[in-house]
Amino acid sequence: DADVTQTPRNRITKTGKRIMLECSQTKGHDRMYWYRQDPGLGLRLIYYSFDVKDINKGEISDGYSVSRQAQAKFSLSLESAIPNQTALYFCATSDPGQGSTGELFFGEGSRLTVL
Amino acid sequence: KNQVEQSPQSLIILEGKNCTLQCNYTVSPFSNLRWYKQDTGRGPVSLTIMTFSENTKSNGRYTATLDADTKQSSLHITASQLSDSASYICVVTGQGAQKLVFGQGTRLTINP
Repeated sequence: DADVTQTPRNRITKTGKRIMLECSQTKGHDRMYWYRQDPGLGLRLIYYSFDVKDINKGEISDGYSVSRQAQAKFSLSLESAIPNQTALYFCATSDPGQGSTGELFFGEGSRLTVL
Repeated sequence: KNQVEQSPQSLIILEGKNCTLQCNYTVSPFSNLRWYKQDTGRGPVSLTIMTFSENTKSNGRYTATLDADTKQSSLHITASQLSDSASYICVVTGQGAQKLVFGQGTRLTINP
């Protein structure tokens, strides 16, 4: 089983619908992230969480919200999806422990299409 | 502004050939630079990390270099294989703030 699991892997939805992307991890890492990837733009940070009670906005948080239900679970919601939110979404984790070099461990991605 | 620029955007080479991907950055102060490989439809996976004091590091057929003075890194792939077809992403971490700055990636295609 993958260490970082994202569901769903693919989703097609319509403008205005509410969508939730879920992420769970078995790596025991405190830090979790949501990124968006668009062709030619690279990965951009949406939200991140350093522990269950800590939620921070990234560079492109407008139109998104998150919930850190437990150390192992971090969900991304689109309250009212719009077509320009069509993208590949990645969840990632990292370990802030002593000696950590900040390596990110990514899930397999969730491809979202908003019609 | 902290930036990471990668070149070329895309590259096509024949199987067995060598290639070099470039990464220039303006992130300061610098902590480390990491190269990730992203296969199509998969999440990125770390290939190697370069810290300030390191000039060269190898991981099999992959060799990364770092020139901290000119703020440049390269990833050299030797004797390319079809499985090397992927996007390669350069990520620079600044000191203290844990802020990661991503390059746009280089799309590498290896043709038989």
